[in-house]
Amino acid sequence: NFMLTQPHSVSESPGKTVTISCTGSNGSIASNFIQWYQQRAGSAPTTMIYEDDRRPSGVPDRFSGSIDSSSNSASLTISGLKTEDEADYYCQSSHSTKVIFGGGTKLTVL
Amino acid sequence: QVQLMQSGAEVKKPGASVKVSCKSSGYSFTDHYMHWVRQAPGQGLESMGWINPKSGATKYAQKFQGRITMTTDTSTSTAYMELGSVTSDDTAVYYCARDWGGGGFDFWGQGTLVTVSS
Repeated sequence: NFMLTQPHSVSESPGKTVTISCTGSNGSIASNFIQWYQQRAGSAPTTMIYEDDRRPSGVPDRFSGSIDSSSNSASLTISGLKTEDEADYYCQSSHSTKVIFGGGTKLTVL
Repeated sequence: QVQLMQSGAEVKKPGASVKVSCKSSGYSFTDHYMHWVRQAPGQGLESMGWINPKSGATKYAQKFQGRITMTTDTSTSTAYMELGSVTSDDTAVYYCARDWGGGGFDFWGQGTLVTVSS
């Protein structure tokens, strides 16, 4: 079964840039679109990236998504970190009509 | 603007069924699949399945097969998820989420807390 693996946690200082990885296994990550969701504590998830690298209306361009087929991974990069970016981030894809989530990465901005 | 408004929190006894609703507005309801996702306390996101509001076709995650039913009412643009034979392991926040068309979600409901307790 296709799986998505994320680091459990990352931390960085305000104003810096952080990249969260999402590595696929048992299949090609490029064969289906990747989405990224932000979930602040106590809130519902919100969509930050869809279709690998597209931002929904209202999402700042500090957030960007990319795919690297050579490493079978996707990345979410957040530049100019703000304290409000502190949240859990989940990658997601669909394989064989199944929805797959990564385990989530806790981003701490300190 | 697109909005997904879910029903309120529920408390159920083990063995009961729970039905959560998700009322959509701001778009054509039958143009987008609707998914259900849950999140147990302190855990990650778990897909439960999806429904095509236009055809009524459904696909459920294997672990819920036999005790989950997803339906829609196109006259009110509302999606429903009913889970039966609940246990304490089903205590979670349940979310509906609209599929943007490519197998991912662009809008989410606010979540419905379901607590299973004797």
